[in-house]
Amino acid sequence: GQSLEQPSEVTAVEGAIVQINCTYQTSGFYGLSWYQQHDGGAPTFLSYNALDGLEETGRFSSFLSRSDSYGYLLLQELQMKDSASYFCAVRETNDYKLSFGAGTTVTVRA
Amino acid sequence: DVKVTQSSRYLVKRTGEKVFLECVQDMDHENMFWYRQDPGLGLRLIYFSYDVKMKEKGDIPEGYSVSREKKERFSLILESASTNQTSMYLCASSPQTIRGKRRTEAFFGQGTRLTVV
Repeated sequence: GQSLEQPSEVTAVEGAIVQINCTYQTSGFYGLSWYQQHDGGAPTFLSYNALDGLEETGRFSSFLSRSDSYGYLLLQELQMKDSASYFCAVRETNDYKLSFGAGTTVTVRA
Repeated sequence: DVKVTQSSRYLVKRTGEKVFLECVQDMDHENMFWYRQDPGLGLRLIYFSYDVKMKEKGDIPEGYSVSREKKERFSLILESASTNQTSMYLCASSPQTIRGKRRTEAFFGQGTRLTVV
């Protein structure tokens, strides 16, 4: 089996930087993904890390350390529209299985 | 655009009924998944499939079964619905490889909110 741990809530002001950490325990790890979900919407893919290091996509960056079983999602220049739930997810079992954490609710205040 | 379509947005069923949730994807993806989403628990994997007629148990398969007779369609079956299966059910699909590279993005349907009374 697997387990993923991430904080349940984060609150920050517009323009700030937020880091959402994710630690995982799994067998047959292939990579760590991040998804965003707005209220009432479907989760949408943000990023994926298979190797150690930082991946940058616009205002969002994701980091992975395989040796520490740890990753994070960095949200920069926060905007009101970034208020959403963010999930880390691991790919395992020959790259077929995709398991999610419980999610982090990010609230952006003016 | 990739489209993952779930047959119903809202469903109300009675305890003990057999319930079918249908999911269709139009991008020829090999992998398909069924999750349930409950407040504070995130997305929990019920079953997944990596090929036609192939299925694997996820983390919470009890009380559910699945069927994948065609590549584009993945059905979730609640054999005898119970009130603790009231939840939001999300279907997703993802490719395995494209041009030799592993693709990772999963695409989700809009979800089916199932209420069992």
